[in-house]
Amino acid sequence: GDSVTQMEGPVTLSEEAFLTINCTYTATGYPSLFWYVQYPGEGLQLLLKATKADDKGSNKGFEATYRKETTSFHLEKGSVQVSDSAVYFCALDQGAQKLVFGQGTRLTINP
Amino acid sequence: DARVTQTPRHKVTEMGQEVTMRCQPILGHNTVFWYRQTMMQGLELLAYFRNRAPLDDSGMPKDRFSAEMPDATLATLKIQPSEPRDSAVYFCASGMGGSETQYFGPGTRLLVL
Repeated sequence: GDSVTQMEGPVTLSEEAFLTINCTYTATGYPSLFWYVQYPGEGLQLLLKATKADDKGSNKGFEATYRKETTSFHLEKGSVQVSDSAVYFCALDQGAQKLVFGQGTRLTINP
Repeated sequence: DARVTQTPRHKVTEMGQEVTMRCQPILGHNTVFWYRQTMMQGLELLAYFRNRAPLDDSGMPKDRFSAEMPDATLATLKIQPSEPRDSAVYFCASGMGGSETQYFGPGTRLLVL
């Protein structure tokens, strides 16, 4: 079945460091791909998405490119801030709006 | 600012008791999802509805869980009887059919003793 694998956390970085959170997927066809973010005590929020191969999703300085050759959708940010501390989830659309989520990666940014 | 609301935000109960969680989707959204989040299993889809009709509840233990949408502004998830292994955060999310984006509520944190 469809699945999403994320790099294991937790990830701890200093402010202004470069961030990469790896995400790979297994699916039939070419599903839409998403990154959601969960801040402490809140529900998930859509961060960015890409709907077809080579698309780049971007928002709030975060970027991810849909790579069908490597079945990957890695999340990157050039300079992280303390306020980026959260749990990040990679997900794919299985069809009919059903999302399959990765396990989540906890990110902590130290000042 | 339209949001999904969930009540209660926190619930502590004893094993064997009935638990009811409520969700108000964003006005105009016709698809509602119920998820459960635990440290061990991550985020699991329990059930989802479109236009108030259940489309898929294969992720939900049928013997004790039930999900309904009495009307377009209310979705409920019930556990009867509750067990300690049901302790988790339960999220409701809503969306529009044809759009892949889901909007999550703040969750109900359930602890079954």
